[in-house]
Amino acid sequence: DAGVTQSPTHLIKTRGQHVTLRCSPISGHKSVSWYQQVLGQGPQFIFQYYEKEERGRGNFPDRFSARQFPNYSSELNVNALLLGDSALYLCASKRVGHLFTDTQYFGPGTRLTVL
Amino acid sequence: QKEVEQNSGPLSVPEGAIASLNCTYSDRGSQSFFWYRQYSGKSPELIMFIYSNGDKEDGRFTAQLNKASQYVSLLIRDSQPSDSATYLCAVAHTGGFKTIFGAGTRLFVKA
Repeated sequence: DAGVTQSPTHLIKTRGQHVTLRCSPISGHKSVSWYQQVLGQGPQFIFQYYEKEERGRGNFPDRFSARQFPNYSSELNVNALLLGDSALYLCASKRVGHLFTDTQYFGPGTRLTVL
Repeated sequence: QKEVEQNSGPLSVPEGAIASLNCTYSDRGSQSFFWYRQYSGKSPELIMFIYSNGDKEDGRFTAQLNKASQYVSLLIRDSQPSDSATYLCAVAHTGGFKTIFGAGTRLFVKA
């Protein structure tokens, strides 16, 4: 089975622009989470979606939004980009059988650079 | 206080030695605990998960959990240069809809 896929791999934007990042979960996984990882830090939780509904949100401004589609793929949108949004954006999926025990698997990430 | 704390390192061990990585967490309701390995420029890769107090072994890796002390550790036996990476401790938030990561510990295994 294919793993979590993300697109694009790399992206360069300028301040004030918006960006859409895409994620396809592992087949059979219904939950998708998004993380931001800046250099030298661990991944920071942005959103989790399950069955197309937002189930969790981290401490990120409203410029960040996401959605999940009927096929369980997901998009992360960031508006009014700031230099500080430059980071590796990670998508992770999990099956969700037992919420406390299902492990999540990460995609390769999208490297976003804001100039 | 950070929700998940790790010593940032770097931790340097000789090849063949045991590497010990530690993690503490603040939410007593945390239920699931994970160790990920991340090579430079790559995404995190799951190594181990543990839910119950005690030890869990998988090959050269042993995860240890002590919920009373809010402490999780990862032991890597017979460390290899290929184990050189950043190790991330992650804790599933109560309710299961949020996983919190530590900042990671950088491990160097010297040949």
